[in-house]
Amino acid sequence: GENVEQHPSTLSVQEGDSAVIKCTYSDSASNYFPWYKQELGKRPQLIIDIRSNVGEKKDQRIAVTLNKTAKHFSLHITETQPEDSAVYFCAASIGGNNRLAFGKGNQVVVIP
Amino acid sequence: DTGVSQNPRHKITKRGQNVTFRCDPISEHNRLYWYRQTLGQGPEFLTYFQNEAQLEKSRLLSDRFSAERPKGSFSTLEIQRTEQGDSAMYLCASSLESGGYTEQFFGPGTRLTVL
Repeated sequence: GENVEQHPSTLSVQEGDSAVIKCTYSDSASNYFPWYKQELGKRPQLIIDIRSNVGEKKDQRIAVTLNKTAKHFSLHITETQPEDSAVYFCAASIGGNNRLAFGKGNQVVVIP
Repeated sequence: DTGVSQNPRHKITKRGQNVTFRCDPISEHNRLYWYRQTLGQGPEFLTYFQNEAQLEKSRLLSDRFSAERPKGSFSTLEIQRTEQGDSAMYLCASSLESGGYTEQFFGPGTRLTVL
């Protein structure tokens, strides 16, 4: 299957707190997992990605963890800021063709 | 702007009409993807090209949809006999495939409204 599911659908956090978004996938052959941020009316933009040969990757305030056995991966945003407010999409590669299956997205609202 | 561009940005049409969208990828990118996005959903894969070859089409893509990438550069997506259910944002993305997974860069999208 090609299902990618995200939880929760909406997340509100106080500025400065951390936000965690979790995704699960069903295709055991998936080995590339990007996260995209989409602000209202704008195009999706990659913020971080991880490949199956690593369990964690960090870039400043953003980190992604991957558990291939459990088929889930998570996005962690620390010290959230108002500009982090957006919809975040996780995705997983399908097969060997770099085709991505996206989740439905998480609306993150950072409250000043 | 050297990013992915799409035209038109908005298209309003009447049911039953044909529409065509264009995508210009980042110049050196050999892969080009088409996605459809509806409100509250993530991008849904439609089809993709490696250079000029169309390598995969979604099972969800009806025969009213056709895509081309004639010279391995820009691509067009045509929808024939549009239906109200075709109303969505159509996103194009491109990437440079070099043997491993690489970032897909998205265009701004074409918003289609079918009346």
